[in-house]
Amino acid sequence: EIVLTQSPGTLSVFPGERATLSCRASQSVSSTYLAWYQQKPGQAPRLLIYGASTRATGIPDRFSGSGSGTDFTLTISRLEPEDFAVYYCQQYGGSPMYSFGQGTKLEIK
Amino acid sequence: QVQLQESGPGLVKPSETLSLTCTVSGDSISSYYWSWIRQTPGKGLEWIGYIYYRGSTTYNPSLKSRVTISVDTSKNQFSLKLSSVTDADTAMYYCTRVSGSAAGAVWGQGTLVTVSS
Repeated sequence: EIVLTQSPGTLSVFPGERATLSCRASQSVSSTYLAWYQQKPGQAPRLLIYGASTRATGIPDRFSGSGSGTDFTLTISRLEPEDFAVYYCQQYGGSPMYSFGQGTKLEIK
Repeated sequence: QVQLQESGPGLVKPSETLSLTCTVSGDSISSYYWSWIRQTPGKGLEWIGYIYYRGSTTYNPSLKSRVTISVDTSKNQFSLKLSSVTDADTAMYYCTRVSGSAAGAVWGQGTLVTVSS
């Protein structure tokens, strides 16, 4: 089983600043098979990034993804008030077929 | 644009079977893979399984013995059955449209299912 560990658990950042979120896999994951989601309170998760670095439809370009192997990063370049949420990474292809990290809560400093 | 809506009982008794349906609108179910994902405060997001519109399925091994996912293309719906539930199955259940490596390219709003006598 591929375990995804996200860090930090909580990240406090000022609006307008950059946020960097980490996702580390217990085994190598193809970059094609790594996705990121955003979840706001009371809402379902929303797909942000797939294939490690491709933005989903309608996602602003301040969101970017990078990484390979076991280390992946989601960067939000200039935080807007609506970006404060919980972020999850997700891998495809292991057992189970899909698994998620435990999440990083991005809060306003 | 495609929309997904979960429906089913919000309360299920222990040892009984949880049954949920996802209705797809704005697109035909006869393409893509369709998935169920649940979320709890303790375990986070957990993928349950997916189905292709032609009926082939893949399940999470941890739930495989209790899960059945089926599809009804005539109604543009797919369904989840989870048998022998316990309070550990209390969760928010989401249906999603799968897209390649993304388990949830599109999500329903979710439905809370509580297991309690």
